Amino acid sequence: EAQVTQNPRYLITVTGKKLTVTCSQNMNHEYMSWYRQDPGLGLRQIYYSMNVEVTDKGDVPEGYKVSRKEKRNFPLILESPSPNQTSLYFCASGFIAGGPGQQFFGPGTRLTVL
Amino acid sequence: AQKITQTQPGMFVQEKEAVTLDCTYDTSDPSYGLFWYKQPSSGEMIFLIYQGSYDQQNATEGRYSLNFQKARKSANLVISASQLGDSAMYFCAMREGWTGGGNKLTFGTGTQLKVEL
Repeated sequence: EAQVTQNPRYLITVTGKKLTVTCSQNMNHEYMSWYRQDPGLGLRQIYYSMNVEVTDKGDVPEGYKVSRKEKRNFPLILESPSPNQTSLYFCASGFIAGGPGQQFFGPGTRLTVL
Repeated sequence: AQKITQTQPGMFVQEKEAVTLDCTYDTSDPSYGLFWYKQPSSGEMIFLIYQGSYDQQNATEGRYSLNFQKARKSANLVISASQLGDSAMYFCAMREGWTGGGNKLTFGTGTQLKVEL
């Protein structure tokens, strides 16, 4: 089944404890992206990647890191989480050319930083 | 300026009635795409419908249609014959430029739709 998977789905952590949210897609998509969703703000892009070893900042990159060592994986790293990073996080992927640019979303990761 | 504006934070509709969710956008790029996503209470993002800036016809997908008025920069979602399962948050999103330049989506703040009996 074609899908984007994220782990964990739910995470409660404490300020300053490094964490990684994994994202994997099995559709051979070049483009992958992370978004965060906050009430009243919609979804905002954190980082994106056009291909392996190519990453760039989105609109709200502060406090986050990413890497793209393999085409299928795009982990999101919070080196020192803070309470303002409490949010719902989505990973998404899509083809770059030959289509409308539709993105397929993972199920979301609900993160709480205490 | 907001690139995507959804002015209706919440809406109610009777079952079997049609409902229109508003979306206006702002871009100077002649090539862009407009998307609607549905987010039920379970949280996942479900793609509903797409309209390209050069598409001549309004997009339709089953009970969903997109009322695309390019001159007004609006891309309203119309849901016909509403069902209880349509109760969800709905997001309008825009991709600016051609897809080869990247697929970043800019989202609106969403409209919470509640379908009532």
